[in-house]
Amino acid sequence: AQRVTQPEKLLSVFKGAPVELKCNYSYSGSPELFWYVQYSRQRLQLLLRHISRESIKGFTADLNKGETSFHLKKPFAQEEDSAMYYCALLTGGGNKLTFGTGTQLKVEL
Amino acid sequence: EAGVAQSPRYKIIEKRQSVAFWCNPISGHATLYWYQQILGQGPKLLIQFQNNGVVDDSQLPKDRFSAERLKGVDSTLKIQPAKLEDSAVYLCASSLERAGGPLTQYFGPGTRLLVL
Repeated sequence: AQRVTQPEKLLSVFKGAPVELKCNYSYSGSPELFWYVQYSRQRLQLLLRHISRESIKGFTADLNKGETSFHLKKPFAQEEDSAMYYCALLTGGGNKLTFGTGTQLKVEL
Repeated sequence: EAGVAQSPRYKIIEKRQSVAFWCNPISGHATLYWYQQILGQGPKLLIQFQNNGVVDDSQLPKDRFSAERLKGVDSTLKIQPAKLEDSAVYLCASSLERAGGPLTQYFGPGTRLLVL
C-alpha cells in the first residue's frame, strides 16, 4: 500500500537559514509527488509538483527514486514561509492523493 | 475565479446525531473530492466523484457516511449517526477532469466538526 512519511512534526529555523522538509514515500508504481502548503487561516494549496521541476517562492524539491524521497528545500528561509507543509503522493488513475502527516515550519526572527 | 465553497464552517453535535456538509466546487470542475482531516494527521480521501459518478469510495465508512452529487455540481456529505472519532475537519476539493496528467486539486476552507 502507498504511504507518505514526514518524520518531523515541527521544524524551527531562523530567518535566512536553509530549510529542508523531509518526505519519504512508499509506492510500487511510478510516483508523482506534490508539496501542499497551508498558511495560517488560509486554505490548503498546491506549492509545487515534481514533474514541473519548478521553483516556487524559492522552494525546490527533487524526486530521488533510489532513496524514495521528495524533500522540500529553500536556501534562505523567510518569515512568510511559516506554515504547515504536506507532502502528497498521487496514486492510481483517478487523481487520488495520499498525504503525509505534515510538518509545521516556524521561521523565527 | 471563485474558489471552492463549503458550509457550514463549524458544527458541534452530540454523538448519535446526524450532520450534513455542503460543497460547491469551482465552476467547470468535473471532479470533486471529500477528505477527512483528523487533528495531527494529513487529509484522507473519503470519496471522489467524476461528474455525478463515484470514482473511489474505498475509504468511506459506508455504515455511517454517505455522499451524493446528484447533478454533477455541488455535493453533500452526511454522517448518521456520528461518533466521537468523527471529530475532524472535512475538506472538499475539486479539479478539472483528468486528461493524461496530474491535475491540481483546489481546496475549500473546510468544515470543522466536533462531536461531543
